[in-house]
Amino acid sequence: GAVVSQHPSRVICKSGTSVKIECRSLDFQATTMFWYRQFPKQSLMLMATSNEGSKATYEQGVEKDKFLINHASLTLSTLTVTSAHPEDSSFYICSARDPGRRPNTGELFFGEGSRLTVL
Amino acid sequence: DAKTTQPNSMESNEEEPVHLPCNHSTISGTDYIHWYRQLPSQGPEYVIHGLTSNVNNRMASLAIAEDRKSSTLILHRATLRDAAVYYCILRVSGDDKIIFGKGTRLHILP
Repeated sequence: GAVVSQHPSRVICKSGTSVKIECRSLDFQATTMFWYRQFPKQSLMLMATSNEGSKATYEQGVEKDKFLINHASLTLSTLTVTSAHPEDSSFYICSARDPGRRPNTGELFFGEGSRLTVL
Repeated sequence: DAKTTQPNSMESNEEEPVHLPCNHSTISGTDYIHWYRQLPSQGPEYVIHGLTSNVNNRMASLAIAEDRKSSTLILHRATLRDAAVYYCILRVSGDDKIIFGKGTRLHILP
C-alpha cells in the first residue's frame, strides 16, 4: 500500500540552528502534502499545505519565514525549522493522498513523525 | 471542516466491543465522516469513512445516524493494540485537507 516516510525520526539541535525534515511518498506521486505539528497530549495542528512546484499555503498564525517548506519533486517535501528555539520542540508529521489509489477513499497517509528537541 | 464533538476519553476491556461516539450536528450534505486513529508516538492512520450508509471494513464498523448528526465507530473486539486517540473528522469530497479535533483517547484494560 501507499507509504509516506519521514526523516529523521528524531533530531536534537542547539538553539539558533536550522533543522530540515524530509517527507517522501514512497510509491506514489503527491502534488500536495500537508505538514502538522503536535505538542504533547494535544491534537495535530495543520501548519501548511505543500504544493509541488509552487509556494506553500500556510495556516493562519504559522510563520512562513520560520517554517520553510519546499516541494521540489512529486515525491519529496521538506520542512526547515529556521533558527530553532526550545518552543519549537514538537512532533512534526506530514501526510499525503495517493491520487491514483482505487477505490478512491480520500484516505490520507501519514508519516511516522519527526520529534524535534531544541536545547 | 465542520466541527465534531467527541468524549475526551473512554475505557474498555480487552476482547470486548467498543463504541466510540461522535456528534456532528452541523454536518452538511457534502460532508463525509472520516475516522482516523493515532497510536502512541506515531502518525495517524485511516480507519474508516462513510457518507450516509453504515460501513464495515477489516478494522471497524461505522454506524451513521439517519439524520447524519452523529456517528459511532465500532471496534468489534478490542485488543491492547487498539489503545489510541480516535479522531472523528468531517471532510468535503475533493478536499484533501484534514483538520483534527481533540479526539477520544481510548484506554484498553487487560
